[in-house]
Amino acid sequence: AQSVSQHNHHVILSEAASLELGCNYSYGGTVNLFWYVQYPGQHLQLLLKYFSGDPLVKGIKGFEAEFIKSKFSFNLRKPSVQWSDTAEYFCAVNPPNQGGKLIFGQGTELSVKP
Amino acid sequence: DAGVIQSPRHEVTEMGQEVTLRCKPISGHNSLFWYRQTMMRGLELLIYFNNNVPIDDSGMPEDRFSAKMPNASFSTLKIQPSEPRDSAVYFCASSLGGVSGNTIYFGEGSWLTVV
Repeated sequence: AQSVSQHNHHVILSEAASLELGCNYSYGGTVNLFWYVQYPGQHLQLLLKYFSGDPLVKGIKGFEAEFIKSKFSFNLRKPSVQWSDTAEYFCAVNPPNQGGKLIFGQGTELSVKP
Repeated sequence: DAGVIQSPRHEVTEMGQEVTLRCKPISGHNSLFWYRQTMMRGLELLIYFNNNVPIDDSGMPEDRFSAKMPNASFSTLKIQPSEPRDSAVYFCASSLGGVSGNTIYFGEGSWLTVV
């Protein structure tokens, strides 16, 4: 079945460590890609998105993601995490020919130790 | 600019009762989505509307669930009768345009507990 996969369920890092969260999808054709963040007890907020153009996308709060079409991947990165980045991170795909709906990965919980 | 507004924020109800969740999308947006979030299943799309018309309701779990969008500024998700397994956070979201490539904005969610 077509899906969105996030490899890590829970990542624990110390402050200032570098972060990379994996995301792979299995849809063919042209897709739109998103990363959302959900802070504890809050709603989902958009971190960044890729529709076309430069495959390296910069988002808010120092996050970036790279779209690698050949690998069907859209990994999220941040060079140096902060305690305030503790949250759950969701990769989402807008598959082709499916209107505006998003299919979400299972999420990766990030815990940053001060 | 107001975001997506949902009510109630929290609801605790007894099994068998009717639950109605409400959503007001961002003004001017013409696509509306209902998602459900649980620990076991993550974020699932239940249904989405474009220009008040249901486009895809394949994610609606069963006949106990129904959703309506009587106008561009209001939608409801109803569960009748509710069951404990319906306990989840229900998110409403909206976007401008029903086609690919538009950012979806989420409300703060309705936290439902069915006991």
